[in-house]
Amino acid sequence: EAGVAQSPRYKIIEKRQSVAFWCNPISGHATLYWYQQILGQGPKLLIQFQNNGVVDDSQLPKDRFSAERLKGVDSTLKIQPAKLEDSAVYLCASSYRQSGELFFGEGSRLTVL
Amino acid sequence: DQQVKQNSPSLSVQEGRISILNCDYTNSMFDYFLWYKKYPAEGPTFLISISSIKDKNEDGRFTVFLNKSAKHLSLHIVPSQPGDSAVYFCAASSGYSTLTFGKGTMLLVSP
Repeated sequence: EAGVAQSPRYKIIEKRQSVAFWCNPISGHATLYWYQQILGQGPKLLIQFQNNGVVDDSQLPKDRFSAERLKGVDSTLKIQPAKLEDSAVYLCASSYRQSGELFFGEGSRLTVL
Repeated sequence: DQQVKQNSPSLSVQEGRISILNCDYTNSMFDYFLWYKKYPAEGPTFLISISSIKDKNEDGRFTVFLNKSAKHLSLHIVPSQPGDSAVYFCAASSGYSTLTFGKGTMLLVSP
């Protein structure tokens, strides 16, 4: 069974530029999550989708971050414009249902200069 | 407001000995707890979980203990192996809520 796929693995941009990350969850997983992990901290939920609907985006900085999952499968997370404090690993995860075990991708490491 | 706390940033253990990783939580509504393991440049992988109706769950060398009255859980690894060296995250959820993670504890198992 293929795992959660993410791309790109690494991205370096300057502040005020934009960036997009892509995630393809495990086949059949209805729930998809984007987490932000800053160095030395645990993953923090940015947004949760159930199929193509948003379940929780309370911690998403909506003035600069956006995410979509149009067909209920893969998802894109965009940051525009980026700030220095956005430097982090962006983790995508999926699960069969809304609670329980999450399966994570390898993450996309963003460095904002 | 940190609802899941891992107060030890790091832990060093010799191969063959027991590793004990601790986690405290403040939200009494949490009813499901998980431990994730993370190697560098990889995503976290699920290790073991426990429901609030239990106080112990065992899977091979890994055992998780839950003390609800103290709002505390611990992960025991016996015997520890060098391949166990990683960052361990404690996570908790309630009902259909998403997981809340601690900051992690880096475990180093030396030969």
